[in-house]
Amino acid sequence: NAGVMQNPRHLVRRRGQEARLRCSPMKGHSHVYWYRQLPEEGLKFMVYLQKENIIDESGMPKERFSAEFPKEGPSILRIQQVVRGDSAAYFCASSPTAGGEKLFFGSGTQLSVL
Amino acid sequence: AQKVTQAQTEISVVEKEDVTLDCVYETRDTTYYLFWYKQPPSGELVFLIRRNSFDEQNEISGRYSWNFQKSTSSFNFTITASQVVDSAVYFCARPNAGGTSYGKLTFGQGTILTVHP
Repeated sequence: NAGVMQNPRHLVRRRGQEARLRCSPMKGHSHVYWYRQLPEEGLKFMVYLQKENIIDESGMPKERFSAEFPKEGPSILRIQQVVRGDSAAYFCASSPTAGGEKLFFGSGTQLSVL
Repeated sequence: AQKVTQAQTEISVVEKEDVTLDCVYETRDTTYYLFWYKQPPSGELVFLIRRNSFDEQNEISGRYSWNFQKSTSSFNFTITASQVVDSAVYFCARPNAGGTSYGKLTFGQGTILTVHP
């Protein structure tokens, strides 16, 4: 039973480019969470999605960031016009229930902005 | 925001020593959950434990044990007879107050544990 799969593991972008981070939840999980880990700030919640719905995006920056979790396919975290401050590890987690009492995390995508 | 504080940034021990990782949390809720996650060098966070605030009994799982003290708002984690494989970053966490899901977590800053052979 495969765990949460994130790709790519490492992503290098130049300032102004777009970054797309993918997350395939565990089989049977329809709840996905995105977290960002910055060196000086630790792990921060970004967004919580269910299939085709954004439930809570209170942790998402207001501009340039968006997330989706379509009916088919992985969840996508999209960062437009990346800046150096976006460099971080981005983690996806999934849960089988809406309660989220136990999260299963992926190995993360390390985004580096040059 | 209700904070989670892990005052120990880094701990270094020698194999077979016992080690305790501290966690202090803020809360205005009467019932709440607390979590510990482990982040090994491979990167993914691994769930260790979830405790509900109305259950103050200490819990033991193999070499791991947790001490929950509501009176001091602490939820400390002890590894007995540590092993090199225990080397990781350990995070204490709690759900955000008024959050939509228990998966919306506020994490502590993490404690880097290094176990030397």
